[in-house]
Amino acid sequence: GAGVSQSPRYKVAKRGQDVALRCDPISGHVSLFWYQQALGQGPEFLTYFQNEAQLDKSGLPSDRFFAERPEGSVSTLKIQRTQQEDSAVYLCASRHYPGEGGQNIQYFGAGTRLSVL
Amino acid sequence: EDQVTQSPEALRLQEGESSSLNCSYTVSGLRGLFWYRQDPGKGPEFLFTLYSAGEEKEKERLKATLTKKESFLHITAPKPEDSATYLCAVQGYMYSGGGADGLTFGKGTHLIIQP
Repeated sequence: GAGVSQSPRYKVAKRGQDVALRCDPISGHVSLFWYQQALGQGPEFLTYFQNEAQLDKSGLPSDRFFAERPEGSVSTLKIQRTQQEDSAVYLCASRHYPGEGGQNIQYFGAGTRLSVL
Repeated sequence: EDQVTQSPEALRLQEGESSSLNCSYTVSGLRGLFWYRQDPGKGPEFLFTLYSAGEEKEKERLKATLTKKESFLHITAPKPEDSATYLCAVQGYMYSGGGADGLTFGKGTHLIIQP
């Protein structure tokens, strides 16, 4: 596709439910990132994949958060036993290759807005 | 830990009134500084990347500059369609709060251009 695609665009969950958020990166992009954006704040880094390898998960806020990218393309961010503080926009970004210059640009999807009631 | 502070938090200008947005940063070793534009309900849209002090880049009415401690986004003769939140982010070489490849963002400047 032409850009990064995320689904669903909106998700309402009851506290304690599990949710799964999907990201389709730009075709051919090696790197994939997940960010969390609270209302009125800038995005905060969650985790990073290079192909299917999760190289950095230092930003995941708790062990309830889990991300995977089994075939090095589509990625899923899973949140177990959702809490109200998980309410935010979850952004996915992809990058052509972990190099310098124009290859180092991260392109973002529109995000999934998660509301936990 | 990498840190980014943007000012002002909000800015209201008349159409055609030029101004500048500030991004102050601290980073262990700068790999790149990024400017993004974000419209309501959408993801950040890439504008510029700057890599070394003294570097400048331009695109239409926008010009980004970089020093060792801060970056400026200059907006010349803005139009209402320039209204958006402008985000600044840094990428460091060494492990920090954002990781070696993750970006550390500021809170953004909410810009409103009135016709």
